[in-house]
Amino acid sequence: AQSVTQLGSHVSVSEGALVLLRCNYSSSVPPYLFWYVQYPNQGLQLLLKYTSAATLVKGINGFEAEFKKSETSFHLTKPSAHMSDAAEYFCAVSSAGGYNKLIFGAGTRLAVHP
Amino acid sequence: KAGVTQTPRYLIKTRGQQVTLSCSPISGHRSVSWYQQTPGQGLQFLFEYFSETQRNKGNFPGRFSGRQFSNSRSEMNVSTLELGDSALYLCASSLRQSLDSPLHFGNGTRLTVT
Repeated sequence: AQSVTQLGSHVSVSEGALVLLRCNYSSSVPPYLFWYVQYPNQGLQLLLKYTSAATLVKGINGFEAEFKKSETSFHLTKPSAHMSDAAEYFCAVSSAGGYNKLIFGAGTRLAVHP
Repeated sequence: KAGVTQTPRYLIKTRGQQVTLSCSPISGHRSVSWYQQTPGQGLQFLFEYFSETQRNKGNFPGRFSGRQFSNSRSEMNVSTLELGDSALYLCASSLRQSLDSPLHFGNGTRLTVT
């Protein structure tokens, strides 16, 4: 069965600092991995996805993630945080149990301080 | 292109009542899936519909049901509401059924059961 673990329910960074949000997955089959962002009172917006084409995936808003099979990780990074990045971030893996069925991590709330 | 539209945005119901939530997918998207988001359980898959047929169902009681119409619009129904059903219900649409197809989420319906 697939599962996702996000390390750190809250992460706080200064504006301009590196953002690193951690995600580890468990999957018995080659995984399809996603990062989503949720702003207050909104739904989830796709940041990027990994589908085995390339291990370093670039997404929107300057975010990128690197797939590391040996570490079963898919950490999300951004070189320089902006105040507008403050939101909740979710890592997800496609379930082998059905199409369009995502298994989400518990989420990481990112705070950005001036 | 318009995004996923969910109505209503907010609902307040009393225990024992039933409720119907509506979702209009992105034009051309044929797959609609539903998720429940709560602070305690996080994001959990409810069910997925494709071509008017339920293709997959999460681990929720039979009080939770749904359907999809020929225009791909979807509704979900919760009968005999319980306090624990209070949550943000998110609808997501996808162009096709696949493990790597990204989901596009609406802004959700926030249901409060009193």
